[in-house]
Amino acid sequence: DTAVSQTPKYLVTQMGNDKSIKCEQNLGHDTMYWYKQDSKKFLKIMFSYNNKELIINETVPNRFSPKSPDKAHLNLHINSLELGDSAVYFCASSQRDRPNYGYTFGSGTRLTVV
Amino acid sequence: AQRVTQPEKLLSVFKGAPVELKCNYSYSGSPELFWYVQYSRQRLQLLLRHISRESIKGFTADLNKGETSFHLKKPFAQEEDSAMYYCALSGLNGNKLVFGAGTILRVKS
Repeated sequence: DTAVSQTPKYLVTQMGNDKSIKCEQNLGHDTMYWYKQDSKKFLKIMFSYNNKELIINETVPNRFSPKSPDKAHLNLHINSLELGDSAVYFCASSQRDRPNYGYTFGSGTRLTVV
Repeated sequence: AQRVTQPEKLLSVFKGAPVELKCNYSYSGSPELFWYVQYSRQRLQLLLRHISRESIKGFTADLNKGETSFHLKKPFAQEEDSAMYYCALSGLNGNKLVFGAGTILRVKS
């Protein structure tokens, strides 16, 4: 059983479109994250939710809107997609009171904007 | 502020040679340090946690608070070790996990 699952795995779309990526975890963790891995493989945190509450919101364009309907799900909606949004987006989860356990990552969503 | 520095973008070694992937950090509190590995086009997998002081796949890493380092070592590299390795840091209060830029390890036969 996959611990952190993301859909879709690949997403190719045109500039200007709106798209969503979904993430679910079955680990019972209370905190979820979105990370962006750019073309140089650099990983940067975008958002974090703890028990459905937004706790980290890095400097991300407001075209990106996360939504957490419950603590097991964290979705990412992107409006008006731009070429620079092309990247791999990773979802992750953790238990906030156990920081020494690290994060568990999903397999990533490769977004290509054409 | 949290910062993780991995000075080498690429490390290329021959099979059987020792490996050391460097990681230095900057953090004012007590850090939690990790090494993650990403095989080609796969998810990031947790390799090591400094707190557990374990050896995974022959890799070890020791936290050196004096030098603010957490270098990853393996005495004899294998071809299947070829991957991207990320050093990462978070604080005890559960704040965000910050990654270094990553080091590609290539093990040649």
